[in-house]
Amino acid sequence: AQKITQTQPGMFVQEKEAVTLDCTYDTSDQSYGLFWYKQPSSGEMIFLIYQGSYDEQNATEGRYSLNFQKARKSANLVISASQLGDSAMYFCAMRVGHLTSYDKVIFGPGTSLSVIP
Amino acid sequence: EAQVTQNPRYLITVTGKKLTVTCSQNMNHEYMSWYRQDPGLGLRQIYYSMNVEVTDKGDVPEGYKVSRKEKRNFPLILESPSPNQTSLYFCASRPGRGYNEQFFGPGTRLTVL
Repeated sequence: AQKITQTQPGMFVQEKEAVTLDCTYDTSDQSYGLFWYKQPSSGEMIFLIYQGSYDEQNATEGRYSLNFQKARKSANLVISASQLGDSAMYFCAMRVGHLTSYDKVIFGPGTSLSVIP
Repeated sequence: EAQVTQNPRYLITVTGKKLTVTCSQNMNHEYMSWYRQDPGLGLRQIYYSMNVEVTDKGDVPEGYKVSRKEKRNFPLILESPSPNQTSLYFCASRPGRGYNEQFFGPGTRLTVL
């Protein structure tokens, strides 16, 4: 079964510190993509970062990096130098079949991050 | 402005009264999807479409219908809504195969009494 697990329902981090949000995935597809989205209290979904299953380098986007460990099936999000505006819900997601005839996306339950001044 | 729009943004209705939530994108994207978001469950894909007249089921399609007659529009239809369909609904689009980022609409908060 295809599944995304996020084991941290809530996290706290001190402002300017780094934080890691955990994500593990399960799929039998060889080709897949992993995503992180941010959902602030206003409700919109904001794309943060993407990692393809065949990408050898970990993805980075500004203060966001994705720690991709394929053998462990993990795709943790690292946020460096946390800011108050990083307080939000964070979702890990996986796309399977994106290079084939189907296009399913599975989301995890989310991690609520609170940045403390 | 490039965007995905949804209407209505908020809707309160009663059990059994058919409703349609519209979704439109102005980016000429091929792929579109509908999701529902429930606390503790994250987002779950209801239906997706890879092109005009091409739709397929996601993980939770029961009780929903979709159609894709034009590239820009992907309405979600609830023929006979029930209280367990009370949720926050998101429409999303992306350009097509090989493109990764999905662009989300603002969401539709639906309450079925």
